[in-house]
Amino acid sequence: QVQLQQWGAGLLKPSETLSLTCAVYSGSLSDYYWSWIRQPPGKGLEWIGENNLGGSATYNPSLKSRVTISLDTSKSQFSLKLRSVTAADTAVYYCARVDESSGWGLNYWGQGTLVTVSS
Amino acid sequence: DIVMTQTPLSSPVTLGQPASISCRSSQSLVHSNGNTYLSWLQQRPGQPPRLLIYKISNRFSGVPDRFSGSGAGTDFTLKISRVEAEDVGVYYCMQATQFPYTFGQGTKLEIK
Repeated sequence: QVQLQQWGAGLLKPSETLSLTCAVYSGSLSDYYWSWIRQPPGKGLEWIGENNLGGSATYNPSLKSRVTISLDTSKSQFSLKLRSVTAADTAVYYCARVDESSGWGLNYWGQGTLVTVSS
Repeated sequence: DIVMTQTPLSSPVTLGQPASISCRSSQSLVHSNGNTYLSWLQQRPGQPPRLLIYKISNRFSGVPDRFSGSGAGTDFTLKISRVEAEDVGVYYCMQATQFPYTFGQGTKLEIK
């Protein structure tokens, strides 16, 4: 059973860089896309972007100038960096696997990390 | 961006009774390859979302058969044949036909 476990700093000041990592257990990074999604408190879901081992990264245009998703095959991990954060970036951030065989569905998710941006 | 609109936003249901959630997209979700990348996710309180249905009507592994999906083009429906207590949560539709992937605003399923 594939498991995703994520971690990272939970409290940031405005203008800092958000950095989260997601480890993939019982599965390989190969053959899938790996994605980040966020959810502001009490609100809905927003797709941040995805990447794969081929480097085919795609980002939400609303965040593209500030986001990088990268993969580390040696550690079976992928990460999210979001630069110059503001209070509007306060949210629970989730990592997830994107699977073409599941119709590009997000079929495995991390547990979520609450990131709060406050001065 | 493709806008996904769900109705209703809240659905009080009696245990054992059916429930239905609609999702409409601002443009057709039929991809140039002929597939329609519409999925449904369930988010129980305090949990990450979970994939229920992909490509309109395919249940993901382990999803009970009381969940079913249907629709085409721009109009889609998630049905629960007999609601159980564990079904309480928020349900989202999501499109992956066009970047950026987008979600509906969510429908909260609660027990009467």
